[in-house]
Amino acid sequence: QVQLVESGGGVVQPGTSLRLSCVVSGFSFTSYGIHWVRQAPGAGLEWVAVTWYDGTYEYFADSVSGRFTMSRDPSSNTLFLQMNSLTVEDTAVYYCAREDISTGYRYFAYWGQGTLVTVSS
Amino acid sequence: SSELTQDPAVSVALGQTVRITCQGDNLRSYYASWYQQKPRQAPVVVIYGKNNRPSGIPDRFSGSGSGGTASLTITGAQAEDEADYYCVSRDSSGNQRVFGGGTKLTVL
Repeated sequence: QVQLVESGGGVVQPGTSLRLSCVVSGFSFTSYGIHWVRQAPGAGLEWVAVTWYDGTYEYFADSVSGRFTMSRDPSSNTLFLQMNSLTVEDTAVYYCAREDISTGYRYFAYWGQGTLVTVSS
Repeated sequence: SSELTQDPAVSVALGQTVRITCQGDNLRSYYASWYQQKPRQAPVVVIYGKNNRPSGIPDRFSGSGSGGTASLTITGAQAEDEADYYCVSRDSSGNQRVFGGGTKLTVL
């Protein structure tokens, strides 16, 4: 059973850092691209970042580039999203999602339940 | 990065057909996928690629596309279809993803 479980959200002050975790089970993240997507309160979905299945490439949205980084721990099936220099605009529910490729088409096949990050003074 | 444009809100009478559209230049190069999101839930994919439905998605959901427009059609909308719908595709570089602003579907 494929599962992705995010954690690490919380309330932090502007300018500080936070690290989110995405623990996967039922598959190996070394076989799939994993994306981070966020949703500010009452707003739409916003793509944040992707790490390739083998970690060789990572891409970030312009809104977080230079502030957010990703890492992984294969021994614990965990991917991390390190968020630095947080601003109130980063307040959102953060989802990790597995990207599948079927008949040549890419899509987000599985999503976690999300973790809420609130940046407030 | 490219932008995808969706109508903010659409309504449909119960049992009728509704089309939700997504416009963007990158749709000329890449197919969109479509996601349904109900309140306080994670999104769920309903259509991907040319017109592919994951298992468990009712066949009243279908997709199409032409030029820079992708469409999600619900034929015979049901009350449980009331939700927000998002399209997503690759950006012009092919490396990033971009979401449409979302369409709130109301079933009357």
